[in-house]
Amino acid sequence: EVQLVESGGGLVQPGGSLRLSCTASGFTFSTYWMTWVRQAPGKGLEWVANIKEDGSERYYVDSVEGRFTISRDNAKNSLYLQMNSLRAEDTAVYYCARDLYGSGSWYFDLWGRGTLVTVSS
Amino acid sequence: SYEVTQPPSVSVSPGQTASITCSGDKLGDKYVSWYQQKPGQSPVLVIYQDNKRPSGIPERFSGSNSGNTATLTISGTQAMDEADYYCQAWDSRVVFGGGTKLTVL
Repeated sequence: EVQLVESGGGLVQPGGSLRLSCTASGFTFSTYWMTWVRQAPGKGLEWVANIKEDGSERYYVDSVEGRFTISRDNAKNSLYLQMNSLRAEDTAVYYCARDLYGSGSWYFDLWGRGTLVTVSS
Repeated sequence: SYEVTQPPSVSVSPGQTASITCSGDKLGDKYVSWYQQKPGQSPVLVIYQDNKRPSGIPERFSGSNSGNTATLTISGTQAMDEADYYCQAWDSRVVFGGGTKLTVL
């Protein structure tokens, strides 16, 4: 079955760190860009970061630049998001998603179920 | 940075046509995708590259994009279509609209 499964969420204090994981199955993970998207409680979707197939390019939304690091291990079919210096406003469900792109389009055809990150003291 | 704007809510009667708009500067020059999200569930791609439907998405979902506005149209809206809908474009970075809650009543 083609799927993405996130893990690693939980409750963390402000200033703390957390590492999210996303395990892919049912497709050739190493041939896709991958993305993290988050959704704060009751709010809309926000793109967080993405990473090229071989990990050589990474991009971030301004609000997490310097605090979050996206990475991947193609041998383990896994995507990661290392989150440091966490703030209350980082509280959200974090989804991993598979990117498709070409001819100026960029979109996400496969999403995981998400993992909840709560930043609170 | 580039932004796209959606109306917060749209209402439609069952069987009628629902139109959800997404606005941005020269949006017609970019490709737009649309996602459906039901409560407690992950987003699902319903339209990509302005007007293409992924496999498994009903034909009643269609899209268009011209000028500064992209539109998701749901023909013969059903109760099961009640959900939040998000448009998404790409302008060197991915950008999502704020979402539109579609109510079928």
